[in-house]
Amino acid sequence: RKEVEQDPGPFNVPEGATVAFNCTYSNSASQSFFWYRQDCRKEPKLLMSVYSSGNEDGRFTAQLNRASQYISLLIRDSKLSDSATYLCVVNKGDDMRFGAGTRLTVKP
Amino acid sequence: GAGVSQSPRYKVAKRGQDVALRCDPISGHVSLFWYQQALGQGPEFLTYFQNEAQLDKSGLPSDRFFAERPEGSVSTLKIQRTQQEDSAVYLCAAWSLGGANTGELFFGEGSRLTVL
Repeated sequence: RKEVEQDPGPFNVPEGATVAFNCTYSNSASQSFFWYRQDCRKEPKLLMSVYSSGNEDGRFTAQLNRASQYISLLIRDSKLSDSATYLCVVNKGDDMRFGAGTRLTVKP
Repeated sequence: GAGVSQSPRYKVAKRGQDVALRCDPISGHVSLFWYQQALGQGPEFLTYFQNEAQLDKSGLPSDRFFAERPEGSVSTLKIQRTQQEDSAVYLCAAWSLGGANTGELFFGEGSRLTVL
């Protein structure tokens, strides 16, 4: 079983839609959690950190449930520019493990 | 990606050939990671350095893969006797001291390896 598992996708949504991605992790010793974004043929870049209390950055909301070892990302009012692959990332303290990614396409 | 340079950007190798991929982070990038990303997949962890020490190499898929960072700066990933399944983008990433708290890994643009 992979350490970090994500919804396989792809997600194809119209502009303005709300879309949610889920991720589970297997190692209960994991310490911190992140969402990265990767555009086609580009390197991954940090989108946002994920905190137990939940955190929001504009249209993006991230949530962590340590008891269920579950992370989520919600995108509201999706834009064409949100089309990308979203990677769930788990840090065990000295290394970062990535999920396989969920591809999102936002259509006009 | 914030000063992480990788070379070559593209490499075509014949099966059985040895290749060397280079990662040059900027000064101060204490921790350095190598990932392998196959088409349509997320980055798969290969190995991790803290300065010159290779702290985790559990992700290296076989003994044909070898990584080093002898002076704690530039790192080289070497693949011996390449196979077609080695075809992927090899990503180098780094963070500076305290980066583990922010989670912000800076990636290079990757080296795309194609094995024929």
